[in-house]
Amino acid sequence: AQSVSQHNHHVILSEAASLELGCNYSYGGTVNLFWYVQYPGQHLQLLLKYFSGDPLVKGIKGFEAEFIKSKFSFNLRKPSVQWSDTAEYFCAVFSGTYKYIFGTGTRLKVLA
Amino acid sequence: DTGVSQDPRHKITKRGQNVTFRCDPISEHNRLYWYRQTLGQGPEFLTYFQNEAQLEKSRLLSDRFSAERPKGSFSTLEIQRTEQGDSAMYLCASSPVEGNQPQHFGDGTRLSIL
Repeated sequence: AQSVSQHNHHVILSEAASLELGCNYSYGGTVNLFWYVQYPGQHLQLLLKYFSGDPLVKGIKGFEAEFIKSKFSFNLRKPSVQWSDTAEYFCAVFSGTYKYIFGTGTRLKVLA
Repeated sequence: DTGVSQDPRHKITKRGQNVTFRCDPISEHNRLYWYRQTLGQGPEFLTYFQNEAQLEKSRLLSDRFSAERPKGSFSTLEIQRTEQGDSAMYLCASSPVEGNQPQHFGDGTRLSIL
């Protein structure tokens, strides 16, 4: 069965620290990959997406993610986090069977 | 872009009661999804509509759950004879049918079963 694993459930960083959130998926075929963010009290919003082409994709607010096919990974990165990045982050996979599979999420807290 | 709208935002009910939630997707979006999210988990797929056709249902969707999208616009999710385990956030999302476009999510309906 398809699945998405996010290894870090809670992350606490100070402002200006670098961020990397792990995401691994299990599916052997072509996938589309997404990172969504949920700020406190708000709905899920798209951060970035990968469909094909350059495996390094850039999203909003300075986030980027790298698709490494051989590792089935799609890790999210940001060089310098801000207090306003405090949120929950979800990795998701779309495998073409109508379903999006989400990871369990990583709750990020950035200390001012 | 008015976004995906869900109603109500919160629903508190006694065990055994029936509840119905409504989702209004972005108007030009053909695809509509329902998810359930519990604390510490990501959204879990429940069902998917393309226009008015319900194309897929998760095994999570027991026979107490039913979803409709009668005219291919808004959708309803009904839970009959609610149980404690139904307490969760119910999310609706929509997307265009072209390609694998990302979904747009609503704010969700939080269901609490007393």
